[in-house]
Amino acid sequence: DAKTTQPNSMESNEEEPVHLPCNHSTISGTDYIHWYRQLPSQGPEYVIHGLTSNVNNRMASLAIAEDRKSSTLILHRATLRDAAVYYCILRGQGGSEKLVFGKGTKLTVNP
Amino acid sequence: NAGVTQTPKFRILKIGQSMTLQCTQDMNHNYMYWYRQDPGMGLKLIYYSVGAGITDKGEVPNGYNVSRSTTEDFPLRLELAAPSQTSVYFCASSQTGHLNTGELFFGEGSRLTVL
Repeated sequence: DAKTTQPNSMESNEEEPVHLPCNHSTISGTDYIHWYRQLPSQGPEYVIHGLTSNVNNRMASLAIAEDRKSSTLILHRATLRDAAVYYCILRGQGGSEKLVFGKGTKLTVNP
Repeated sequence: NAGVTQTPKFRILKIGQSMTLQCTQDMNHNYMYWYRQDPGMGLKLIYYSVGAGITDKGEVPNGYNVSRSTTEDFPLRLELAAPSQTSVYFCASSQTGHLNTGELFFGEGSRLTVL
């Protein structure tokens, strides 16, 4: 199973942009990059996913490197509600459904 | 819209007892998963299922059993509870087509303590 590597923790100030990196150097050509976040005492929730092109939705943007070996989740204006653990995982197309989460990045947002 | 429902939300077990964590989804998803999360740690995959009648082991399957007799239900059974199984358990489901782009929907979790 392709693995991802994320920093253990990051800090940001409210109203500022946040860039959360993820390395996935062993990604295969058909793997989708998914991001989830887990608010305190809750189950994880979907944030965004992409394959090759950058993606935007109401929650965040996903920037994918040209070689696809890394990606960055972008929160354009962090709020206190964005304080959570963010997970980057790879999801194969037509392959294993053994979806493995790493330790994720704990984001702290300062007022 | 119920989504993924887990019961019970909390349970205390004695060492050696058995119990079943229930998970039901009403979205007609074909894929279902069980994860555990120890304090301050990430999620570990216990078992998963790609459809009724099909289950497979995840990263940490020892001490657990699952079944998938219907699309909706994916119960997780602990046969001989041990303190090491104290954790929060999350059930999730997803629907995927050939592109495997489906998002995971998680339940609210079941907090299990084994004393």
